[in-house]
Amino acid sequence: EVQVVESGGGLVQPGRSLRLTCTISGFTFGDYAMSWVRQVPGKGLEWIGLLRSESFGGTTEHAASVNGRFTMSRDDSKGVAYLQMNSLKTEDTGVYYCTRLNCSSISCYTTYYYMDVWGKGTTVTVSS
Amino acid sequence: DIQMTQSPSSLSASVGDRVTITCRASQKISKYLNWYQQKPGKAPDLLIYAASSLQSGVPSRFSGSRSGTDFTLTISSLQPEDFATYYCQQSYSSPPTFGQGTRLEIK
Repeated sequence: EVQVVESGGGLVQPGRSLRLTCTISGFTFGDYAMSWVRQVPGKGLEWIGLLRSESFGGTTEHAASVNGRFTMSRDDSKGVAYLQMNSLKTEDTGVYYCTRLNCSSISCYTTYYYMDVWGKGTTVTVSS
Repeated sequence: DIQMTQSPSSLSASVGDRVTITCRASQKISKYLNWYQQKPGKAPDLLIYAASSLQSGVPSRFSGSRSGTDFTLTISSLQPEDFATYYCQQSYSSPPTFGQGTRLEIK
């Protein structure tokens, strides 16, 4: 079964750090880009960032709201992706989803993706 | 950033109804529009990608279409399990952006 599972959420004080892990199974991780999406309780969806496959250098892009604070990485040998969150703010509170990206065009680099596999999410609460 | 505006924000309908949800992009996005369904307490699920392609396993009562920068999600005959919140998302330009959601409720 194709799936992704997030872990690592919890309660953290403002200014501290947290690392989320996305563990994949059922597909060849190295073939896919991944993304992180968050959702404030009762609100909509916000894209956090994109982590390309190693065939595109494993490079990343981040939303402006987290740029410089959040970092994504991957370990294809272990089938995991990471979201390192530093200098956390109260507005970073939410449910964080890891998603697999599939390509709806001949070639995707930054765009033309769709999120075809979602994890159940992990909750991050930033509060003093 | 490209702004995605969904209408209506909420909708009441009955089982068996035909329902249409619209998503308008603030600029050209070609066909790169995806639709997701989210049930309370659950993660979103992909329904439609590239405006009109049905994701594998999604019932055929769901369909998507495009007219310029206006996109439509249609449910031909509502089933009880379809009551949820629906989001559109553009993937034409970075950053990818979502609509604010349309909550579909039972009448």
